[in-house]
Amino acid sequence: AQSVTQLGSHVSVSEGALVLLRCNYSSSVPPYLFWYVQYPNQGLQLLLKYTSAATLVKGINGFEAEFKKSETSFHLTKPSAHMSDAAEYFCAVSDRNQAGTALIFGKGTTLSVSS
Amino acid sequence: DVKVTQSSRYLVKRTGEKVFLECVQDMDHENMFWYRQDPGLGLRLIYFSYDVKMKEKGDIPEGYSVSREKKERFSLILESASTNQTSMYLCASTGWRECHFGPGTRLTVT
Repeated sequence: AQSVTQLGSHVSVSEGALVLLRCNYSSSVPPYLFWYVQYPNQGLQLLLKYTSAATLVKGINGFEAEFKKSETSFHLTKPSAHMSDAAEYFCAVSDRNQAGTALIFGKGTTLSVSS
Repeated sequence: DVKVTQSSRYLVKRTGEKVFLECVQDMDHENMFWYRQDPGLGLRLIYFSYDVKMKEKGDIPEGYSVSREKKERFSLILESASTNQTSMYLCASTGWRECHFGPGTRLTVT
């Protein structure tokens, strides 16, 4: 069964600092991978997704993630944090062999950004 | 640019009430899902549907049922609401390589 582990339930950075949110997946074959962001009292918004094209995926708001098969990782990064990046971030995985299957989510990482 | 809508953003119900949460998508997706979100637990799958009148149990179906009479609409039903069902409920629909979420319904059961 597929699973996702997000290391660190809470990450704090200063404005302008590097953001690194960690995600590792467990799957017998390389899956599709996603990062979502959730701002307070809102639904989930897709940041970026990996579907077997380029291993470095660029998303919205300056975020990017790199798929590393050897490490079974899909960490999310942003070179310079902004106050508006404060939110909860979820990594998710789905089975590439079954289009439209349910996403399996990690437990989330709350990002705090201080001035 | 509306894709997935949910009938209520906030809902307060009493223990024992029957509760309906409605979700509508306008992308002609076949697959629709209901998740609940709780602090520290992430999103957990309750039920999903691959087609009209079809439903499958997710990881935590107990206390819930669903209905999918039309392709665009997927309803979550709490037959007899309990306080442990107080949560944020998120609906999603998926097409090929994409998944869209609704804004969520924050349900409080008192």
